Amino acid sequence: DTGVSQNPRHKITKRGQNVTFRCDPISEHNRLYWYRQTLGQGPEFLTYFQNEAQLEKSRLLSDRFSAERPKGSFSTLEIQRTEQGDSAMYLCAISTGPSYEQYFGPGTRLTVT
Amino acid sequence: AQSVAQPEDQVNVAEGNPLTVKCTYSVSGNPYLFWYVQYPNRGLQFLLKYITGDNLVKGSYGFEAEFNKSQTSFHLKKPSALVSDSALYFCAVRVSNSGNTPLVFGKGTRLSVIA
Repeated sequence: DTGVSQNPRHKITKRGQNVTFRCDPISEHNRLYWYRQTLGQGPEFLTYFQNEAQLEKSRLLSDRFSAERPKGSFSTLEIQRTEQGDSAMYLCAISTGPSYEQYFGPGTRLTVT
Repeated sequence: AQSVAQPEDQVNVAEGNPLTVKCTYSVSGNPYLFWYVQYPNRGLQFLLKYITGDNLVKGSYGFEAEFNKSQTSFHLKKPSALVSDSALYFCAVRVSNSGNTPLVFGKGTRLSVIA
């Protein structure tokens, strides 16, 4: 148990629909990250929060993607008007500082048909 | 820009033999280096990290890794492989004084330990 839960674990949606994923750290960690992992690749950074502030966003994060972390606890990642290219595993990770390891949740696997 | 290379997509080793999974990195500055393991349908699990100090770091499940600054490498090793070590292994790097930059991962190496 890494102390991070993600819901749902699997999501199948039709192209054009909106989807929302949730990440719940069990304990308080000030840093929260979202990554995307496609088959045969390592995780790629999407966005990062320190407490409730979204401090960095990857160029991978198009205008259709939005993330929030109200109150600096759980976080949500929303994808609007999904495309088949959005099919991937979406991973949430937490850490307490730059020299500390990140702990990953089990991920949400998105399939866009 | 930071980058990580894992030159082998697949590594096969017999149970009981030593294993090595290779990783080289490129950063402009001092690196923080990490190894993670991923089992099927599960998230990444932290194995070990190099921040500073001794170049040989020991981690979970008997794994260790050696930081080599001159060769910009951080190879993962284990003296005696187990079938249960079969999984996908990822090396990751970030720059130590970079503030908020995230981890940059390699593409992963699939380790297969054969009984």
